[in-house]
Amino acid sequence: ILNVEQSPQSLHVQEGDSTNFTCSFPSSNFYALHWYRWETAKSPEALFVMTLNGDEKKKGRISATLNTKEGYSYLYIKGSQPEDSATYLCAFHSGGSYIPTFGRGTSLIVHP
Amino acid sequence: GAVVSQHPSRVICKSGTSVKIECRSLDFQATTMFWYRQFPKQSLMLMATSNEGSKATYEQGVEKDKFLINHASLTLSTLTVTSAHPEDSSFYICSARGDSNSPLHFGNGTRLTVT
Repeated sequence: ILNVEQSPQSLHVQEGDSTNFTCSFPSSNFYALHWYRWETAKSPEALFVMTLNGDEKKKGRISATLNTKEGYSYLYIKGSQPEDSATYLCAFHSGGSYIPTFGRGTSLIVHP
Repeated sequence: GAVVSQHPSRVICKSGTSVKIECRSLDFQATTMFWYRQFPKQSLMLMATSNEGSKATYEQGVEKDKFLINHASLTLSTLTVTSAHPEDSSFYICSARGDSNSPLHFGNGTRLTVT
């Protein structure tokens, strides 16, 4: 069983704050890491596909970094807005398996 | 972007009945579909993986006779919860993928309540 941990479990921030959270995964046999955003009453939506150590991806105010050697990825949100409120999931893919293992997610609530 | 449609979004059924949930990829061919179950405050738990035209691969602890999965075409997979019991009440969500390097595209999920 692959251990994919996300922290914190939940996070409350004020509008305009910048925030970040973590996904940790096994550092051996890495293939890919995906980040998803899951808004209430909607389906999870892919944010980033990360494959290389040192990868940095950005989409608007959201960015992610990847460290495969130590087994973690950070997701950053700059200047949080209420519409950023969602659960952010990471999914780890090990080499040789096309089946992703999901973390429990970080629930972000941005207060106006 | 790729769209996955899942129906129904909510279903209430009586104990002992069977419920079928459909998952369709609307604008791409899904070679692989995944079925997940989510318990409150838990991560998405993979139930089974289905590839078009072949039998589903079930995760350990998931009863294949209880949760029947059919992936008859590249755009449709179904999950049938047979002889449902209250403990089967949960949130079920499907996802689909075109190739192994692509992220997953999810349906909106189905909230099943068995009374």
